[in-house]
Amino acid sequence: NAGVTQTPKFRILKIGQSMTLQCTQDMNHNYMYWYRQDPGMGLKLIYYSVGAGITDKGEVPNGYNVSRSTTEDFPLRLELAAPSQTSVYFCASSYSGANYGYTFGSGTRLTVV
Amino acid sequence: KNEVEQSPQNLTAQEGEFITINCSYSVGISALHWLQQHPGGGIVSLFMLSSGKKKHGRLIATINIQEKHSSLHITASHPRDSAVYICGYHRTGNQFYFGTGTSLTVIP
Repeated sequence: NAGVTQTPKFRILKIGQSMTLQCTQDMNHNYMYWYRQDPGMGLKLIYYSVGAGITDKGEVPNGYNVSRSTTEDFPLRLELAAPSQTSVYFCASSYSGANYGYTFGSGTRLTVV
Repeated sequence: KNEVEQSPQNLTAQEGEFITINCSYSVGISALHWLQQHPGGGIVSLFMLSSGKKKHGRLIATINIQEKHSSLHITASHPRDSAVYICGYHRTGNQFYFGTGTSLTVIP
């Protein structure tokens, strides 16, 4: 079992560029999440999904988009990258919502210059 | 406004010491999560608990739902326990909140 796989691990973007962070899980989990973690700050939820075809905004969705066409994949799209999006991004999944444990990906360190 | 408060923010302990990390929150929840973030950045889910106590190896997590407080205990601490410990919860809808973490360093 690979668990949650995130790619890439590191990326440097120029201001205004776009990119997609990939996230795949092989545990047949219904819920998937994207968090960002800034230095000294807690994990902030960007978007989440409760199943294929269903996505919803989290606490900090501006500047990002997601899709969930399959149970396995939950890519995060950054359009028009800004320095404020410099952060570490974590994808996570859980079988269901509040009462199930999370499995996290290894993270993507993104720098926007 | 912090939805989750953790204390202490930083903790240094000698190997073998008993360690307690505290987590307080302000709303009613059904379950609370404890995560461990390794120095390399990876995050592992330690516990999800909704009442009472859970134990895994040298780690013990307790929660008092009425008092809105949870604690993570580490017995016989070891340098490999050095990490950031994060608590948080998912309430309803998009209410997912995590604390800023407690940075633990265990000295040999």
